[in-house]
Amino acid sequence: GALVYQYPRRTICKSGTSMRMECQAVGFQATSVAWYRQSPQKTFELIALSTVNSAIKYEQNFTQEKFPISHPNLSFSSMTVLNAYLEDRGLYLCGASWGGIYAEQFFGPGTRLTVL
Amino acid sequence: GQQVQQSPTSLVLQEGENAELQCNFSTSLNSMQWFYQRPGGSLVSVFYNPSGTKQSGRLTSTTVIKERRSSLHISSSQITDSGTYLCAMERNSGTYQRFGTGTKLQVVP
Repeated sequence: GALVYQYPRRTICKSGTSMRMECQAVGFQATSVAWYRQSPQKTFELIALSTVNSAIKYEQNFTQEKFPISHPNLSFSSMTVLNAYLEDRGLYLCGASWGGIYAEQFFGPGTRLTVL
Repeated sequence: GQQVQQSPTSLVLQEGENAELQCNFSTSLNSMQWFYQRPGGSLVSVFYNPSGTKQSGRLTSTTVIKERRSSLHISSSQITDSGTYLCAMERNSGTYQRFGTGTKLQVVP
């Protein structure tokens, strides 16, 4: 079956520091990987969509300078939260699909980021 | 504005009652997906439903793309159904998923 793993599951970082999170697809080729954030008491927001052989598309309010993403192959993606502050805390999910941007997404369990 | 509206925002049922959750979209969409969010935050895909009706056990999802709406019906609710249900849409303009704010369901004995 199609599985998505995320590492780490939980992380704490000091304000102003950076942290990297990873997303791994198993059992299928992740041609598209989307990263989402759920801030406390809010729903999920799309940060960016990465499709192999295409430029990474960031949503409004999210930038490459703040959330650089790497999608080097069909099974792995990573995102870094640079210069993290309190407003960056929350649950970060990656959703991967193999059929292009309109296919069903499979989600990882998330990385919960706490910023001190 | 909010592109995905879910209703109700919260719902309390007695065990055995049925529930109807609604999802309405303010823009045209290509497909949609229903999720259950575990207490720890992770998502479980309940239905991927581009259109029509899908059933899995006590759950039924009906999506009418042209009318920009989808519903999730839970029959004979159980305490273990409690949690937050989210719907998300995939727009046909190339933008990926937009999530609703969720329906918090509580099933009591």
